[in-house]
Amino acid sequence: DVKVTQSSRYLVKRTGEKVFLECVQDMDHENMFWYRQDPGLGLRLIYFSYDVKMKEKGDIPEGYSVSREKKERFSLILESASTNQTSMYLCASSWESRRETQYFGPGTRLLVL
Amino acid sequence: AQSVTQLGSHVSVSEGALVLLRCNYSSSVPPYLFWYVQYPNQGLQLLLKYTSAATLVKGINGFEAEFKKSETSFHLTKPSAHMSDAAEYFCAVSAPYGGSQGNLIFGKGTKLSVKP
Repeated sequence: DVKVTQSSRYLVKRTGEKVFLECVQDMDHENMFWYRQDPGLGLRLIYFSYDVKMKEKGDIPEGYSVSREKKERFSLILESASTNQTSMYLCASSWESRRETQYFGPGTRLLVL
Repeated sequence: AQSVTQLGSHVSVSEGALVLLRCNYSSSVPPYLFWYVQYPNQGLQLLLKYTSAATLVKGINGFEAEFKKSETSFHLTKPSAHMSDAAEYFCAVSAPYGGSQGNLIFGKGTKLSVKP
C-alpha cells in the first residue's frame, strides 16, 4: 500500500512564525504536491515538484515556499504565517503520467492566531 | 485548458436511494478523469478513474461512473446509498502543467448527506 505521511495532524501557530509542514511518501514517486483546502473552494495547488530539487508554482504560491532535497520528502514552508493561511493542507504524490492516481496524506489542519 | 464543474455543493439522499453526483469537464486534450472521496478529517482517496479504456468505470464501495464524450460528463452513481457513504466527493481531470504530466484540476466538491 502506498503511504503518504504528514508530520502533524493539527498545528497552532502565531502570526509571524515560520512554519514547516513535512510530507513523506514511500513509493518512489516522481511527483509530489501541496494543496490547501478551504470550504467552498475545493483543493487549490500551492506548489508541486516532479523531481528532486525541482519545484514549480501552482495556482496560489504567494506566502509559501517548498523544498525537495530527497525524492521521498517534500516540505512546505510558511515564511511568516498569517491568519489567512489558516487552512487544511494536503500533500499528495504520484507517478509521472497523466493517467496516474495521486495518493494523499491525512492532512494538516493549521490554525494561525 | 482544463476545468471541472461539479453541480451541487450539497446533495442529500435517503438510505437505500440512488446516489447521483454530477461532474462536467472541459479539456483541450483527451481527458483522464478521476473521482475521489474525502471522509471527515481525512485525506482524499481514489474511488475510480477513467483512462480511455471502458467508458463505464467501476470503483470501490459500489460506485461507478460513465464517461460521455458528447456530453463532456463523468457523473458518479451508486444504486443504493448507505450511511457510510456520507462524505465529500471530488471530480478531477488530468492537466499537464509546467514540467509535469501528472497534475490534476479538481472540482469544488459535493458534500453527500445520507438520511436514515
